[in-house]
Amino acid sequence: DTEVTQTPKHLVMGMTNKKSLKCEQHMGHRAMYWYKQKAKKPPELMFVYSYEKLSINESVPSRFSPECPNSSLLNLHLHALQPEDSALYLCASSPVQSRMRSNNEQFFGPGTRLTVL
Amino acid sequence: QQQVKQSPQSLIVQKGGISIINCAYENTAFDYFPWYQQFPGKGPALLIAIRPDVSEKKEGRFTISFNKSAKQFSLHIMDSQPGDSATYFCAASPKAAGNKLTFGGGTRVLVKP
Repeated sequence: DTEVTQTPKHLVMGMTNKKSLKCEQHMGHRAMYWYKQKAKKPPELMFVYSYEKLSINESVPSRFSPECPNSSLLNLHLHALQPEDSALYLCASSPVQSRMRSNNEQFFGPGTRLTVL
Repeated sequence: QQQVKQSPQSLIVQKGGISIINCAYENTAFDYFPWYQQFPGKGPALLIAIRPDVSEKKEGRFTISFNKSAKQFSLHIMDSQPGDSATYFCAASPKAAGNKLTFGGGTRVLVKP
């Protein structure tokens, strides 16, 4: 299995809703990532988990809450979002995230298209 | 200093032609340079990547050229096909930040039949 899966594919939510995005990989990768991508823009890194521990938080607002229950799963919990948070949310994984190496390929999932009303 | 500048923003090429996308960086700590291909509604897919100790890498119709002294690298798509129509992102990662990628702004490539 060489893919990263994400559910749901599409999500529409109101500003008072609580929802979660899910990501799964079975490649044995120990680093997982959340990115946000606006239309016609590059992906922006939000969070990095390495060995199930949060290693990077790119100053993301607390209305986004990541969780890594195990080495294969990554969740992004959403609460009290704003319309400007509407975007494509991408999950990625790589074999390892290390300060000694920077040549690990990141494999992206298809993304969840989020619309906040 | 973390920026990666990509050009052009968009590109139209005839089928069979060569598509050339350029990227420039400032941070000399970058040591990994991947290119990603993204189709509408899909996630980015790794196309090809290079490290600074190599000046060129070729995989099929895709070639990366790397100029360390100029701090520039480019993607060449030979014999461009309509199926290559997509958005291409260059990226760079410094060793000190592990696998943290800095992306260029993207190039939308349209290959006309």
